[in-house]
Amino acid sequence: GNSVTQMEGPVTLSEEAFLTINCTYTATGYPSLFWYVQYPGEGLQLLLKATKADDKGSNKGFEATYRKETTSFHLEKGSVQVSDSAVYFCALSLTQGGSEKLVFGKGTKLTVNP
Amino acid sequence: DTAVSQTPKYLVTQMGNDKSIKCEQNLGHDTMYWYKQDSKKFLKIMFSYNNKELIINETVPNRFSPKSPDKAHLNLHINSLELGDSAVYFCASSQVAVPQYFGPGTRLTVL
Repeated sequence: GNSVTQMEGPVTLSEEAFLTINCTYTATGYPSLFWYVQYPGEGLQLLLKATKADDKGSNKGFEATYRKETTSFHLEKGSVQVSDSAVYFCALSLTQGGSEKLVFGKGTKLTVNP
Repeated sequence: DTAVSQTPKYLVTQMGNDKSIKCEQNLGHDTMYWYKQDSKKFLKIMFSYNNKELIINETVPNRFSPKSPDKAHLNLHINSLELGDSAVYFCASSQVAVPQYFGPGTRLTVL
């Protein structure tokens, strides 16, 4: 079946540290890949996406590259800020029955300390 | 202004009751969704509406009935609540193929 596995959290970093949150997937077709972010007290919002192999999605200093050979879509940021503290969800989508359906990972909580 | 809002934020009720959760988006998006987050924290789609028309209807008991009075609203009505319905329910909206913005969630507890 289709599934997404994220690294277990929580992750705690100091400000300006390098961030990597691992995400791997299993899919029967050729999925699009996404990262969502949920800030405290808010709903999830789409952070970045990549629709085919070797694509790089980027937004707000975050990047993730679609690696088909390793079935991965790791999220990275070179220098995190306190305001990046949130829960990050990796997801894939596949077209089924003419509709796009998302499959989410469990989420990884990131805390950035000043 | 909140892009996607849900009410109530918390809902505690007895088994067998009927309850509704309301969702509104002020983004002008055409598509709205309901997702359920289970106890293992996985988010799973329940329904999707595009311009008030049902697009996705996953394997959800027919006790759950979505209603979209207009493009900006998608409400979820649940009949005869069961213990297993306890979860966090998220509304979402989008103008692309997948959800862009989610609401803050409604935590439903069935006693």
